[in-house]
Amino acid sequence: IAGITQAPTSQILAAGRRMTLRCTQDMRHNAMYWYRQDLGLGLRLIHYSNTAGTTGKGEVPDGYSVSRANTDDFPLTLASAVPSQTSVYFCASSSQLWTGELFFGEGSRLTVL
Amino acid sequence: KQEVTQIPAALSVPEGENLVLNCSFTDSAIYNLQWFRQDPGKGLTSLLLIQSSQREQTSGRLNASLDKSSGRSTLYIAASQPGDSATYLCAVNQAGTALIFGKGTTLSVSS
Repeated sequence: IAGITQAPTSQILAAGRRMTLRCTQDMRHNAMYWYRQDLGLGLRLIHYSNTAGTTGKGEVPDGYSVSRANTDDFPLTLASAVPSQTSVYFCASSSQLWTGELFFGEGSRLTVL
Repeated sequence: KQEVTQIPAALSVPEGENLVLNCSFTDSAIYNLQWFRQDPGKGLTSLLLIQSSQREQTSGRLNASLDKSSGRSTLYIAASQPGDSATYLCAVNQAGTALIFGKGTTLSVSS
């Protein structure tokens, strides 16, 4: 089934550790996004990418980095995790940046202790 | 700055009832609007996308309308079922900027 695959589905890690959340899509979409979802705050954009080799900052980029080496993969890295990064992280993609229909992965639940 | 509001935050209805979920936005200069469904512990599933030039879109028992001038969209669910229980989010797109999401309406349909 075509779509977006995220890994891991859930992770607990100690503060200060490095963590990479993986995201792969098989729809050949140009644009990919990382959101975090927090109770009461809704969905907030962390980073995005319009095409392989280009990335941009969203609303809450601090403490996160991304790379886009190819069309399909868009990993999100927390260089040194902090408790405020405890959240549910969603990867998404669309055929066109911003204006295309948005498709989401199932999410990665991250707890930083 | 565009703001998207969904009221009420939660709604409970008996099975079989027709219902309307509301989404309002402050800036009418939108490119399109999307409705999503989110089940607990799951990702968002796209339900309907309405372009700014359209007035409505239909998919099965779902009908979404758009009134740009008044800054409103509604999602109509006909003959609701317990399986419709979920959180429904709307998101507004303005060309060149990220989608702005509402915080959702959590729907509970009782049998």
